[in-house]
Amino acid sequence: EVQLLESGGGLIQPGGSLRLSCAASGFTFAKYAMTWVRQAPGKGLEWVSAISGTGGSTYYADSVRGLFTISRDNSKNTLYLQMNSLRAEDTAVYYCAKDISQSYFGSGSRNWFDPWGQGTLVTVSS
Amino acid sequence: EIVLTQSPATLSLSPGERATLSCRASQSVSSYLAWYQQKPGQAPRLLIYDASNRATDIPARFSGSGSGTDFTLTISSLEPEDFAVYYCQLRSDWPPLYTFGQGTKLEIK
Repeated sequence: EVQLLESGGGLIQPGGSLRLSCAASGFTFAKYAMTWVRQAPGKGLEWVSAISGTGGSTYYADSVRGLFTISRDNSKNTLYLQMNSLRAEDTAVYYCAKDISQSYFGSGSRNWFDPWGQGTLVTVSS
Repeated sequence: EIVLTQSPATLSLSPGERATLSCRASQSVSSYLAWYQQKPGQAPRLLIYDASNRATDIPARFSGSGSGTDFTLTISSLEPEDFAVYYCQLRSDWPPLYTFGQGTKLEIK
């Protein structure tokens, strides 16, 4: 059974940094692209970032590019999201999710994500 | 930037009725579109990908259609567990970036 367990969320002051982790099990982690999606309290979904199975390709939403860094350690079956210069508008539940197929991640590929973890809450406030 | 607009914002129906949810893109996205269901306090679940393909273990009462700029999620006969928020999501070809619609809340009438 595929399991994704996010951790690392919490209360952080504006301007601070936080690293989220997503521990994966139940599948060959290195063969699947992964993604982070966030949801502000009471709001809709916002895609944050994605990474190919090897980690060699990464993509970001405009709202976080240059501030957040996605990475993965395939030896530890873990996905990360390093978040720097956090702002109040980054307050959200952060979900990680797995690609539904072992396809490459790039131009012309069709990558969709499921299942998702239960999420970890990040609160940016002074 | 491609914008996705979902309608209606809220849909009030009764169990057994047919639900039709719409998602319109501001420019053509081919068939790079997915639908998700989210229940309160839960993570989203993928229902439909590539506009019309049901994801694993999704009941046949869920179907997706459309291409280009206009897409539809249809639930043929609503079950009590189907009342939730539904999001459409597009993927741009290159670079591969994703955008969600604002969601449609399907509520019990």
